[in-house]
Amino acid sequence: QSVLTQPPSVSGAPGQRVTISCTGSSSNIGAGYDVHWYQQLPGTAPKLLIYANSNRPSGVPDRFSGSKSGTSASLAITGLQAEDEADYYCQSYDSSLSGPLFGGGTKLTVL
Amino acid sequence: QVQLVESGGGVVQPGRSLRLSCAASGFTFRSYGMNWVRQAPGKGLEWVAIIWYDGSNKYYVDSVKGRFTISRDNSKNTLYLQMNSLRAEDTAVYYCARVIGHLGEWYFDLWGRGNLVTVSS
Repeated sequence: QSVLTQPPSVSGAPGQRVTISCTGSSSNIGAGYDVHWYQQLPGTAPKLLIYANSNRPSGVPDRFSGSKSGTSASLAITGLQAEDEADYYCQSYDSSLSGPLFGGGTKLTVL
Repeated sequence: QVQLVESGGGVVQPGRSLRLSCAASGFTFRSYGMNWVRQAPGKGLEWVAIIWYDGSNKYYVDSVKGRFTISRDNSKNTLYLQMNSLRAEDTAVYYCARVIGHLGEWYFDLWGRGNLVTVSS
């Protein structure tokens, strides 16, 4: 089954560091396909946050970083701020689906 | 400015059809692949369909194959999604998004604001 698994929710206090995991399989992340991350603020469209595992588009603060290893990837956010409260989605390519695949999303709450 | 603007959504009865449009501006539309992503109310993102920069290749998620058709008119800088035989489970906000990268590397760097499609009797 083509699935990217994310924790439904994570939380942290302002200034802290949080990580969001994205676990895939041999047909997606484990096959070597890149992982990308999106941030969706409440009521808005998704925004590209990290591309090709660890690259930040212009304008994205360096508080956001991504990594990938084996069949998993992670998004780390340091120096947590109130405006980081949003839903975060990982995305990769899946060879069984023959198309892009999104994780289920993780809701980040800033305490 | 660089933007994507969707239109054509609304309320439609099950089994009926609807066509979404996505108008692009501020960039060379004909140079980019494009796709549709949807989000059911309170749910996560689901990729729907993708089309090559020149329209030569198209791919769909299994749940819409045979019912939805993605197309583009590069002379009008517009992307389309023709949705036929609509079902209640197609109810979602539909986003168009610009595609970056080659097959297997795709990611989406520019998104429209989304357009709500509600399938209900």
